[in-house]
Amino acid sequence: DAGVTQSPTHLIKTRGQQVTLRCSPKSGHDTVSWYQQALGQGPQFIFQYYEEEERQRGNFPDRFSGHQFPNYSSELNVNALLLGDSALYLCASSEDRDSTNEQFFGPGTRLTVL
Amino acid sequence: GIQVEQSPPDLILQEGANSTLRCNFSDSVNNLQWFHQNPWGQLINLFYIPSGTKQNGRLSATTVATERYSLLYISSSQTTDSGVYFCAGNTNYGQNFVFGPGTRLSVLP
Repeated sequence: DAGVTQSPTHLIKTRGQQVTLRCSPKSGHDTVSWYQQALGQGPQFIFQYYEEEERQRGNFPDRFSGHQFPNYSSELNVNALLLGDSALYLCASSEDRDSTNEQFFGPGTRLTVL
Repeated sequence: GIQVEQSPPDLILQEGANSTLRCNFSDSVNNLQWFHQNPWGQLINLFYIPSGTKQNGRLSATTVATERYSLLYISSSQTTDSGVYFCAGNTNYGQNFVFGPGTRLSVLP
């Protein structure tokens, strides 16, 4: 049973650049959520995708955007990178029909902005 | 949105000791999970426990939904238990999954 996978593992960018992170959900899951975890803090919800639409969004600027594909995989795009965007980006998947809405997380992508 | 508090923020134990971690929510939650984040950043699911008590080996958890708190018990701690423990949940009103600030556990040999 394949778990949640993310790519790349690490990424280094410079201020002003754009970045795309990728996530494949756990087998059987149709909902993908993205989180940003700054050093020493808990993960913060960015947004959630279901049926290829953004269903919910946290308190993040429009520089953060996403996409979900028909196979349920997802991308997180960040434009005009700032130093403060340096963080661990986590993807979680769940099954919408599952009343528990239990979340399963991938290993994360560590983004460093110089 | 809901607020999540965790205590203690830091905990240092000798191997073999027991510990209790606490999570308080500002509102009722319908999905409550405990995670262990290892040194590489991976969040490992420990329990899905919106109410009641569950046990898995040396770990157990209890959630008292009416009083909006959950407890994670670690018995006979091992060095591999070190890391950060997070609780997280969402309310009946939406899907926004809110994390607490975590408890950093260090188990010394």
